[in-house]
Parts: sequence; C-alpha cells; structure tokens
Amino acid sequence: DAGVTQSPTHLIKTRGQQVTLRCSPKSGHDTVSWYQQALGQGPQFIFQYYEEEERQRGNFPDRFSGHQFPNYSSELNVNALLLGDSALYLCASSLGLGDGYTFGSGTRLTVV
Amino acid sequence: QQQVKQSPQSLIVQKGGIPIINCAYENTAFDYFPWYQQFPGKGPALLIAIRPDVSEKKEGRFTISFNKSAKQFSLHIMDSQPGDSATYFCAASVSRAGGKLIFGQGTELSVKP
Repeated sequence: DAGVTQSPTHLIKTRGQQVTLRCSPKSGHDTVSWYQQALGQGPQFIFQYYEEEERQRGNFPDRFSGHQFPNYSSELNVNALLLGDSALYLCASSLGLGDGYTFGSGTRLTVV
Repeated sequence: QQQVKQSPQSLIVQKGGIPIINCAYENTAFDYFPWYQQFPGKGPALLIAIRPDVSEKKEGRFTISFNKSAKQFSLHIMDSQPGDSATYFCAASVSRAGGKLIFGQGTELSVKP
C-alpha cells in the first residue's frame, strides 16, 4: 500500500523563478493538503484540495497556487520565488475533509 | 487564537526515562489533537491523537493527557529508547472545518543510551 509520494525530493531554484512540486496521495485518499516547514519550525498550512477545488487556504500570498487532478494527485506552484520560500514542502492526504492525515517525506526547496 | 504553543523546545533524557512534552491552545473550537513524530529528512508521522471527550489515551509507550478546562495537552513517552530521538510536534484542528492542522513549534528529543 503506497503512502504519499512527493517529487522531486530536492530542488534548487534561483530568486524570481517558478517551481512546481508534485504529490500523489495515499491509495484510497481523495483530499490533499500542502504545508510549508521552515527549518526548525512546525509545518504551516498552505491550502487544501478536495474534489479538484481549493477548499481552505492558509496565510500565504497568491504566488502560491495549486491544482488537483481527477486521479486526486496534486501540484503546488510557487511563482516569483523569494529566498524566504526556502523550506521543506509537505503534502498530506486524507479521506474526505477531516482528520487522519498521512504525510509524505516532502520536497526540500532551496532558493538561491 | 489559532496558535498552539509547545514546550520545551528541546529535551534530553536517559534511556528508560519518561520525557513529557506540553502544548497549550486558545481556540475552544479545536476538537482533534494529534501528536506527530518527525525524523530528519522525513515527513511527520502520526503517533497518537485524542479528542476532547476523553482525558487520557494510551497507545503502546505513548500517552496523551488532556485537560480541557486548562486548554492543555501533553505527550508522555514511557520507557524511552534511543530510537525515540526525533522531533515531536503537537497539533490541533477543527474537524468540521476541514481539518486544517495548526502545529506547535516542535520539541527536539534526545534519548541517551
């Protein structure tokens, strides 16, 4: 039973560039949430996708956008990258809108 | 009001000791309180979770104590082992609002042999 799969595992980008991160949810899960975890901090909620729509959004600028596909996989896009966007980006999946999240291992994004 | 405050920031115990990590919250709408364990280079993994209708929950060596009136909850790790060395996060969410998790700042636990 595959867990949450994220790609790529590591990424280095230059300030001002755009990046796309990908997530495949755990088998049987239909909801995907994205979190940003800065070094030494707890994860912070970015947004949540269910039925291909953004259902909730955290306190992140519009440079952060996402998408969910019919197979429940999801993408996180970040435009106009800033140095402060350097973090571990975590994808979490669940069944429906509620509890019981399973997290992936994350994508480590470094902006230089 | 959305914050979850976690303490201590770091903790060192000897093997067999009982580390205790504490969290406090303000939002009385929170109704789900999970604890996550995170190893370097990995995502958080759910350890144990509690809802406000019970005051204690045990799963193996992990126990959550919950004090609804004080708006505090804590994680106890019985008979701690070096393999328990990791960062622990408490979190809280409002289930009916979609389950967005609000995390504490984390506690780095080191269990010495």
